[in-house]
Amino acid sequence: DAKTTQPPSMDCAEGRAANLPCNHSTISGNEYVYWYRQIHSQGPQYIIHGLKNNETNEMASLIITEDRKSSTLILPHATLRDTAVYYCIAYNQAGTALIFGKGTTLSVSS
Amino acid sequence: GAVVSQHPSRVICKSGTSVKIECRSLDFQATTMFWYRQFPKQSLMLMATSNEGSKATYEQGVEKDKFLINHASLTLSTLTVTSAHPEDSSFYICSASPVAGPREDTQYFGPGTRLTVL
Repeated sequence: DAKTTQPPSMDCAEGRAANLPCNHSTISGNEYVYWYRQIHSQGPQYIIHGLKNNETNEMASLIITEDRKSSTLILPHATLRDTAVYYCIAYNQAGTALIFGKGTTLSVSS
Repeated sequence: GAVVSQHPSRVICKSGTSVKIECRSLDFQATTMFWYRQFPKQSLMLMATSNEGSKATYEQGVEKDKFLINHASLTLSTLTVTSAHPEDSSFYICSASPVAGPREDTQYFGPGTRLTVL
């Protein structure tokens, strides 16, 4: 699977949009971009995934660049409960494991 | 939908004893489940891939005789830590993907089991 690069930490004010970048310049054509987050002492939580097109669900939006070399996860109105480690993973097929990097620690403050 | 449970959520045991951790997919079937381990302030590390009805595949450096994995059904995988020692103290997390349907490419994670070996 392609390697991803994320900033180690980010801060965001409550109520503002949190934009978390991810670089995946070596991603292959059949690899999806997946985002998970892990709140302290819990299992990772699925957020969203995409291949080429931008995606939106009830939790977040995912913007993927046209060349697919990078993406941005957007939490439109961050709350204190969004404080977590966010993982961006390039993943190509069911039946294989997700490989986690170090992720981005997002701290949302009031 | 797509809920994964783990039991127990927390366990404390004495050194030398064995501990069994269960991972269940509650509302879907999974032919493959994965076991991860996470030490404090570190990311998740894949330990093994659990395949229903066949032997598990272990990552390099993970002792298969120490970490026994059984995947007896499409909804249950167990991890047994045999002869546990303090260095086995960690957060153990499982994940699974539905075998079919719109969510089959997405893995869902259990809440984790905190193991403390005294």
